[in-house]
Formats: sequence, structure tokens, C-alpha cells
Amino acid sequence: DAKTTQPPSMDCAEGRAANLPCNHSTISGNEYVYWYRQIHSQGPQYIIHGLKNNETNEMASLIITEDRKSSTLILPHATLRDTAVYYCIVRVRTGTASKLTFGTGTRLQVTL
Amino acid sequence: DGGITQSPKYLFRKEGQNVTLSCEQNLNHDAMYWYRQDPGQGLRLIYYSQIVNDFQKGDIAEGYSVSREKKESFPLTVTSAQKNPTAFYLCASSPGPDRLGEQYFGPGTRLTVT
Repeated sequence: DAKTTQPPSMDCAEGRAANLPCNHSTISGNEYVYWYRQIHSQGPQYIIHGLKNNETNEMASLIITEDRKSSTLILPHATLRDTAVYYCIVRVRTGTASKLTFGTGTRLQVTL
Repeated sequence: DGGITQSPKYLFRKEGQNVTLSCEQNLNHDAMYWYRQDPGQGLRLIYYSQIVNDFQKGDIAEGYSVSREKKESFPLTVTSAQKNPTAFYLCASSPGPDRLGEQYFGPGTRLTVT
């Protein structure tokens, strides 16, 4: 699985958009970008994934650059409950069940 | 509501005792996983199962055992052979072989062994 690089921490004011970047310059053609988050003392939560097109769901939007070497997770109107560690993971979508490799992620702090 | 349940949320045991952590899902997912998380660390895979009656070792299987007799259940036993069992244990499941990157996690069990 390709390696990802994320900033260790970010701050965002409540109500503003939170834009979380991720670099994955060695991504392969069949690898997807997945985003998860982990709120303190809880299990990780799947947010969204994509291959090359931008994706949106009820939680967030995912913007993937045309060369697929980086992506941005957008929380359009961050709330205090969005304070968490956000993980960007790159891996193939199909095949044999295997682990998710969580790196150190980005600790997002949403403030009043 | 569909989801993954883990019980109990907190568990305390004396050293030398085996302990079994429960994981149940009603999502009709094929694959299930057990991870361990230590303070300030990432998740490490203990065991996973792709189908009933089949399971594979992960990166840190020593001192642990699992069973998968039913699709919805994947209990983890922490044996006395596990050197450092105190940790946060997370169970997850994924829908099937074409959606393996989507893993849905339970709330976790925090095990303390003294």
C-alpha cells in the first residue's frame, strides 16, 4: 500500500470549512484513497473514499488532484464534534481481506 | 440499528487469566477484524476472518486466539501468554471482497490487566 503524508495538526473555527490535505505521491493506478477519523477513545469511523473523481457524501467531500498524488478532505461546516484525528489511507479496493494501515494522521481541533 | 457491538466497554483482569472479548455485527458483513491500539499509537492487526470457519493471523497474533463459528460473531481471547495485554481492542467488519477498504469499527473494549 502507498505511503501517505499528513500534517500532524490543524485548527479550524466552528462553522468554517476544514480542509485536510494528504500527499500520496506513490499511489498506484488501482489504489483508492480512504479517509477515516477517530474521536478520542472511540473506534475509527469510515468517512469517504475515491479513486480519481471528486466524491461527496453526507459527512464530507473528497477532492483528488488530477495526477492523484494528493487529496483534500473537506468538512464544509466544522462543528466541535468534528474534533478528531483524521487518517488518510491508500489501498486497493478489492482482493484479500487485510489490515488498514493507519499512520499518525492529522489531529483536527475545532474551536469556538 | 445496524452496527458492531463490543462488550464490555471496560474489562479488568488479573495477570495469568484468559479473557474473551465479544464482537457481534448485524451488518451481514463477510470479513471481520481485531485490532489493538496502545496509547498514542496506531492500530495493529491481531487476527482477521474473511468467511465463517476461516481466520488468519495478523501482525501481532501471538498470545491471542479467535473463532468464527457464525458470520455475525468473532470473539477474541487474550491468553495468559500475551505479554502486554493492557490495551484498547477494536473489532471491525467490512462488506465483502469488493469493498475491503471500508471497515466499520465497534466502540472498543479497554482491557486492563494487573
